[in-house]
Amino acid sequence: DAKTTQPTSMDCAEGRAANLPCNHSTISGNEYVYWYRQIHSQGPQYIIHGLKNNETNEMASLIITEDRKSSTLILPHATLRDTAVYYCIVRVNDYKLSFGAGTTVTVRA
Amino acid sequence: GAVVSQHPSWVICKSGTSVKIECRSLDFQATTMFWYRQFPKQSLMLMATSNEGSKATYEQGVEKDKFLINHASLTLSTLTVTSAHPEDSSFYICSARVDRGSYGYTFGSGTRLTVV
Repeated sequence: DAKTTQPTSMDCAEGRAANLPCNHSTISGNEYVYWYRQIHSQGPQYIIHGLKNNETNEMASLIITEDRKSSTLILPHATLRDTAVYYCIVRVNDYKLSFGAGTTVTVRA
Repeated sequence: GAVVSQHPSWVICKSGTSVKIECRSLDFQATTMFWYRQFPKQSLMLMATSNEGSKATYEQGVEKDKFLINHASLTLSTLTVTSAHPEDSSFYICSARVDRGSYGYTFGSGTRLTVV
């Protein structure tokens, strides 16, 4: 199973873009990169996922390097409500999602 | 779309009693659901995978007789914590794989279990 490495924590300023890195150097060719976030005492919320190409939706953008060994989640205009733990996950077999420690993002006014 | 409803959101029970947590997919059919537990300041730990109409598959170290999972329909999976003890106090979260659209997996809001 491909594992991911994320920074433990990061701060960002309200209104600025937040760039969250994730390393997944052992990712297989057919494994997707998923991003979820968990606001305190809630269930995880889906943000975005991708295979090879960069992806964008109403919440964020996902940039995947050409070799697929790393990716970056971009929150274009961070708000205080974006404070959460962000998880980068590579989908394993049997449709299981395994969570690592994630990155605790604190958005400051 | 792709909403999973989890109930109750919190429950307090006495040691030795059993507690049932429900997870329902509201607008889609979930052939596969997952159950996680999360201790304070820790990440989610997968407990088991349930498939509609068949026995659940438990992760290593999870007691199947203590955490009973039933997935009798395409929209409902239940987790029963039997003979609960204080060390079972945790945040339990269900999830379902969504086969349509771009959601991938969707999660319930979680159940905070406190055993006293």
